[in-house]
Amino acid sequence: GDSVTQMEGPVTLSEEAFLTINCTYTATGYPSLFWYVQYPGEGLQLLLKATKADDKGSNKGFEATYRKETTSFHLEKGSVQVSDSAVYFCALDRGDAGNKLTFGGGTRVLVKP
Amino acid sequence: DAGVTQSPTHLIKTRGQHVTLRCSPISGHKSVSWYQQVLGQGPQFIFQYYEKEERGRGNFPDRFSARQFPNYSSELNVNALLLGDSALYLCASSLRGFAEAFFGQGTRLTVV
Repeated sequence: GDSVTQMEGPVTLSEEAFLTINCTYTATGYPSLFWYVQYPGEGLQLLLKATKADDKGSNKGFEATYRKETTSFHLEKGSVQVSDSAVYFCALDRGDAGNKLTFGGGTRVLVKP
Repeated sequence: DAGVTQSPTHLIKTRGQHVTLRCSPISGHKSVSWYQQVLGQGPQFIFQYYEKEERGRGNFPDRFSARQFPNYSSELNVNALLLGDSALYLCASSLRGFAEAFFGQGTRLTVV
């Protein structure tokens, strides 16, 4: 079955540091890939997505490239802020009639001033 | 426009009881999916409904059931509650496949 594996946290960084969260997936066919963010006490928010190989999703300074050859979708940000402290989830979707997401276990990121 | 709304936000139930959780999708969205998020883990897919028909089911026991109404709102029902059912239950709506899923704030269920 489908699965998503992402690096375990917590990841602790200083403000303005470079962030990378690794994500790899196993799925048949050509899923869409997503990064969701969950701030404390809140639901999930879509951060970025990519729907086909070599697509790059980007939003709020975050980027991730859909690499089919390595089945990866690593999340990067060049300069993190304290406000980026949250839990980040990598996910894939093969739902052809609505969302049917398979999530990774989440990576908690803590950015210190 | 209102986002995805879920009710109640919190509830506490006793083992063996039954619970019904409710979700209203974003206006115009015809797909609703339910997820269970146990503390410290990623959400797990439970059900997907599209145009009032079940289109997907995750690896959950038959104690879990759901339905979608003509106005596209949805209910998740869980019978014979176990302590392990304690979790945040998330509802998400979307227009169609591969489109962005919008999540509600969730219902925090505690089984004691």
